[in-house]
Amino acid sequence: AQSVTQLGSHVSVSEGALVLLRCNYSSSVPPYLFWYVQYPNQGLQLLLKYTTGATLVKGINGFEAEFKKSETSFHLTKPSAHMSDAAEYFCAVRGPSGGSQGNLIFGKGTKLSVKP
Amino acid sequence: DAGITQSPRHKVTETGTPVTLRCHQTENHRYMYWYRQDPGHGLRLIHYSYGVKDTDKGEVSDGYSVSRSKTEDFLLTLESATSSQTSVYFCAISDSGTGIYGYTFGSGTRLTVV
Repeated sequence: AQSVTQLGSHVSVSEGALVLLRCNYSSSVPPYLFWYVQYPNQGLQLLLKYTTGATLVKGINGFEAEFKKSETSFHLTKPSAHMSDAAEYFCAVRGPSGGSQGNLIFGKGTKLSVKP
Repeated sequence: DAGITQSPRHKVTETGTPVTLRCHQTENHRYMYWYRQDPGHGLRLIHYSYGVKDTDKGEVSDGYSVSRSKTEDFLLTLESATSSQTSVYFCAISDSGTGIYGYTFGSGTRLTVV
């Protein structure tokens, strides 16, 4: 069955520090993996995605994620946090095979705070 | 978000009343989804549509129904609203049934049932 686990519901970093948000998944089909960001009172915006090919994926706003099949992980990183990165981040995996394959299954989210 | 709008943005309703939320897209995407977002639960799929008049249930479909009579509109109806349906509801669209492109999300509808 497909599932997503995000470790840490809240993460706090200082401005300029490394951002690391963890995501582990389980999937019965080759995974398509996504990171979304949600700013307060807004919808979700796609940060980056992995479908096939290169396992290090670069996204918007300086974020990147690496697909590690052996670890079933897709952690999100950014070398230097900015105040504007404060938001909630969601990891997602596509659904199981069959009619619901295109449906995304989301983790519970990680709220990132950035301290000045 | 460009190409997808949800209405209303905010609604307060009384327990037991019917409520309909609307999702409208101008992208001509085949697939449309309704999710609810609750603290500690992330986003959970309510219903989805894979074409006009073609819909299916998600993991939290009890108490909800949907309709899609046109490609551009996907309606979510709470037949008799309950307090447990107080939530933020998001519509999403995709032009792939494999999930390869991910979704584009609307801005959400905040529903309060009192």
